[in-house]
Amino acid sequence: DAKTTQPPSMDCAEGRAANLPCNHSTISGNEYVYWYRQIHSQGPQYIIHGLKNNETNEMASLIITEDRKSSTLILPHATLRDTAVYYCIVRAFGGTSYGKLTFGQGTILTVHP
Amino acid sequence: EAQVTQNPRYLITVTGKKLTVTCSQNMNHEYMSWYRQDPGLGLRQIYYSMNVEVTDKGDVPEGYKVSRKEKRNFPLILESPSPNQTSLYFCASSLTGTDTQYFGPGTRLTVL
Repeated sequence: DAKTTQPPSMDCAEGRAANLPCNHSTISGNEYVYWYRQIHSQGPQYIIHGLKNNETNEMASLIITEDRKSSTLILPHATLRDTAVYYCIVRAFGGTSYGKLTFGQGTILTVHP
Repeated sequence: EAQVTQNPRYLITVTGKKLTVTCSQNMNHEYMSWYRQDPGLGLRQIYYSMNVEVTDKGDVPEGYKVSRKEKRNFPLILESPSPNQTSLYFCASSLTGTDTQYFGPGTRLTVL
């Protein structure tokens, strides 16, 4: 699986957009970018995923650069409940990595009042 | 409500006393998996199952057993727990191995 690099921590003011970057410069053509978050030792929560096009759902938007070497997760209006560890995961399919999610250290996002 | 449930949520036990952590999903998912989470090491996969009666090792399977006799259940068995198995455990499931995985609430295990 391709490795990802994320900043260890970020701050955001409540009501503002939170933009969380992720570098995945060794991503392969058939690998998706997934984002999960974990709130205080709860089970990781799926946020969004994409291959090469930008994606949006009710929780967030995912912007993937044209060369696919990096991406940004956008929480458009952050709230205090968005304080969590955010994981960017590049996922391989098939072979010995079948189904496995490889979690890195993630980004601790703190949303301030 | 679609969910993955785990029991117990918290468990303190002693070395060598066999225990089972149950995992159940109500989404008719084929794929299920167990992870453990330790400080500084992130989440690591223990075992996974692609379907009933099909299981395989993840990255850290030593000291664990699993079974998949029914589609909805995927119990994690520690036959002789040791203190290095003290950890936070998560069960996850997805429709297939290539679909989005959904996680249970976690089981915090302490082995004394």
